[in-house]
Amino acid sequence: ETGVTQTPRHLVMGMTNKKSLKCEQHLGHNAMYWYKQGAKKPLELMFVYNFKEQTENNSVPSRFSPECPNSSHLFLHLHTLQPEDSALYLCASSQDPGGPSYEQYFGPGTRLTVT
Amino acid sequence: GQNIDQPTEMTATEGAIVQINCTYQTSGFNGLFWYQQHAGEAPTFLSYNVLDGLEEKGRFSSFLSRSKGYSYLLLKELQMKDSASYLCAAVDSNYQLIWGAGTKLIIKP
Repeated sequence: ETGVTQTPRHLVMGMTNKKSLKCEQHLGHNAMYWYKQGAKKPLELMFVYNFKEQTENNSVPSRFSPECPNSSHLFLHLHTLQPEDSALYLCASSQDPGGPSYEQYFGPGTRLTVT
Repeated sequence: GQNIDQPTEMTATEGAIVQINCTYQTSGFNGLFWYQQHAGEAPTFLSYNVLDGLEEKGRFSSFLSRSKGYSYLLLKELQMKDSASYLCAAVDSNYQLIWGAGTKLIIKP
């Protein structure tokens, strides 16, 4: 148990569907992250939230829409995705995004397949 | 640009020692992380280095040379459960993690 949970673990969706990924952290951390992990590719940072406020948005297409209602919950809303968006989506949290020594704790990820 | 290089795949024998190298080029540098990721699971923290030198933690050690932009993860007394991907990530001047693609380590009996 890493203290960060993600649902669903697997998701198959068509290009016209709308779905949401959910992340919850039970560690009392202040920062939460969404990453995309493609096959044999580096982790790509998508969004960063610090104290519920979005601080980073690394040129992510608008078909991905994050939501952070409080410091423990993070959502990623998906709509009109493309097949190339198929990947593992990882959520992470850390005590403080500005502190280099604060390691990130990851959830198990959602394996997304877009058909 | 910012870049992390590490080998794609390595193979080693149970009980042996293996060294996984990582070179980095970042705008500024605020330390380097190593994470372990078993297939289908979340990455988990192994080590963090910000000063030059070797840090030992049980069977795993991590080394950093800031002047060379180089780090390695050393795994001793390899066990089958060490089969996993090992991710190197450097912290840049904005405290963002720049990730490598990971090294898949295969342990053979």
